[in-house]
Amino acid sequence: GAVVSQHPSWVICKSGTSVKIECRSLDFQATTMFWYRQFPKQSLMLMATSNEGSKATYEQGVEKDKFLINHASLTLSTLTVTSAHPEDSSFYICSAARSSQPQHFGDGTRLSIL
Amino acid sequence: EDKVVQSPLSLVVHEGDTVTLNCSYEVTNFRSLLWYKQEKKAPTFLFMLTSSGIEKKSGRLSSILDKKELFSILNITATQTGDSAIYLCATNSGGSNYKLTFGKGTLLTVNP
Repeated sequence: GAVVSQHPSWVICKSGTSVKIECRSLDFQATTMFWYRQFPKQSLMLMATSNEGSKATYEQGVEKDKFLINHASLTLSTLTVTSAHPEDSSFYICSAARSSQPQHFGDGTRLSIL
Repeated sequence: EDKVVQSPLSLVVHEGDTVTLNCSYEVTNFRSLLWYKQEKKAPTFLFMLTSSGIEKKSGRLSSILDKKELFSILNITATQTGDSAIYLCATNSGGSNYKLTFGKGTLLTVNP
């Protein structure tokens, strides 16, 4: 149980385009979903927390207009990186949790902006 | 600001060795401490600890929490090359959104 699917796993695109990443909890309803960014050899950095049906809560320093989060249902959240630039290249990971239960992570999306 | 410190940052052992990974924390409104294993992709859940002194065990892995001294350890016995990974410790400090604060991780390399 507690399977989280993230798609796509890898994307390469040109500078200036927008990229959407999907995160789905496959076998449970997630009250909260989280989006992280991870740089090489570093730990996970929380970007934002998303609750179904409400606006995401962004961490300090994360631009909400740059990283759009939509949490349309209890099983789906999306992160859109708008007008992506090379400095946005990174490993993005989502996680989902039901109430106080442990967060379970998707397999991550490796984003490369040329 | 919540703080989670893991040590060592990296460790190289031989198959069959036993390793102990450390995690100390300074957290307001502590709720739980979690251990994850990260290989090439995203972290996989190992343990969640909420009470002091109660060991959690899964196969060759075990973990325990000390809420008085504010630390946790993760033990791996009879290590195998498949145990090579980054081990992440994280704390949940309450609030309505259950967000985690992660340590920097311990990179474990198990050589044959």
